[in-house]
Amino acid sequence: NAGVMQNPRHLVRRRGQEARLRCSPMKGHSHVYWYRQLPEEGLKFMVYLQKENIIDESGMPKERFSAEFPKEGPSILRIQQVVRGDSAAYFCASSRDPSTGELFFGEGSRLTVL
Amino acid sequence: SQKIEQNSEALNIQEGKTATLTCNYTNYSPAYLQWYRQDPGRGPVFLLLIRENEKEKRKERLKVTFDTTLKQSLFHITASQPADSATYLCALSNTGKLIFGQGTTLQVKP
Repeated sequence: NAGVMQNPRHLVRRRGQEARLRCSPMKGHSHVYWYRQLPEEGLKFMVYLQKENIIDESGMPKERFSAEFPKEGPSILRIQQVVRGDSAAYFCASSRDPSTGELFFGEGSRLTVL
Repeated sequence: SQKIEQNSEALNIQEGKTATLTCNYTNYSPAYLQWYRQDPGRGPVFLLLIRENEKEKRKERLKVTFDTTLKQSLFHITASQPADSATYLCALSNTGKLIFGQGTTLQVKP
């Protein structure tokens, strides 16, 4: 029973390049959440998606960041024209039913911008 | 604005003692509160969930209390072990998305 799978685990980009982070939720889970974690800080909510729909993107920066969760395939968090401040760990979580509360997290994708 | 506060200072205790971590929140009326454990370089792992109409929840050596009047949750680990050393995150929700505190690092010394 595979858990939440994220890839790549580590990604290095130069300023101005694009970063694409992928997340495959647990089997049977249709709700996906993306969080960002800076060193020595807590998890900051970015976006909540349900298959093909963005439910809540209140934590997404207005520019350069986008997320999708297509009908088929993984959820993608896309960061265009990366800057050094984008360096962080990006965690994906999934749930079967938000009313039950519990989130299952992946191991994260660590983005380093040179 | 909504605020969740956990003690930012690391908690150091001796093996066998009870560890107590605090989570306070303001400007929020959560439907439920959760606690997660996070080890360095890993994703958070769910531990316990307590709903707004529950006062206390237990699971093995873990106990969580939830006081909606004080807007506070306490997380206890009894008979602590060095393997309990990690960062513990408090999280609140009432709309599906979880909002996390910054976490408290626990160090259990043998």
